[in-house]
Amino acid sequence: KAGVTQTPRYLIKTRGQQVTLSCSPISGHRSVSWYQQTPGQGLQFLFEYFSETQRNKGNFPGRFSGRQFSNSRSEMNVSTLELGDSALYLCASSLQGRAAEAFFGQGTRLTVV
Amino acid sequence: SQQGEEDPQALSIQEGENATMNCSYKTSINNLQWYRQNSGRGLVHLILIRSNEREKHSGRLRVTLDTSKKSSSLLITASRAADTASYFCATDSGGSNYKLTFGKGTLLTVNP
Repeated sequence: KAGVTQTPRYLIKTRGQQVTLSCSPISGHRSVSWYQQTPGQGLQFLFEYFSETQRNKGNFPGRFSGRQFSNSRSEMNVSTLELGDSALYLCASSLQGRAAEAFFGQGTRLTVV
Repeated sequence: SQQGEEDPQALSIQEGENATMNCSYKTSINNLQWYRQNSGRGLVHLILIRSNEREKHSGRLRVTLDTSKKSSSLLITASRAADTASYFCATDSGGSNYKLTFGKGTLLTVNP
């Protein structure tokens, strides 16, 4: 069974640009969550989607947005990038829409210069 | 905001020794999970313990949960160099709050 796939693995962007990250969950999983990991703040919850609906959102500015498609694949978008957005972005999928036993992808390393 | 706080922040041991990491959290939980992360890569799920459980085993891992003290511990027995990684606890507060709240992690180094 394929795991959670995140693309791209690495990304370098310039301040002010926007970026879209993609996450394909494990087949059959309907919940997808996104997390940002930085050395200073650790792992922080961005948002969670279930059956194309955002059910929960973390304390991030409106520049961070996401969506989920009917096949459960999810994308997150960051507009007007700032240097502080440099981070590892992790996507997790789970079967029943609970945070229980979430399976993570390898992440997308975003560097903003 | 961080829910869990791991202790210690870093731990260095020799192969074959046991490693114990602790996690404290602030609010009531539905379950608590432990994850491993190798060098800035994805998180690997290790074990989940529910709020009504006190102890759980999985291979060389033993997790305990004390909800009265809002704390959990992860014991890795007979450690190996391959266990070198960061270990995080994550809590699920249940209800409509569909998210995991992570601690800052313990960096475990197992020396061969």
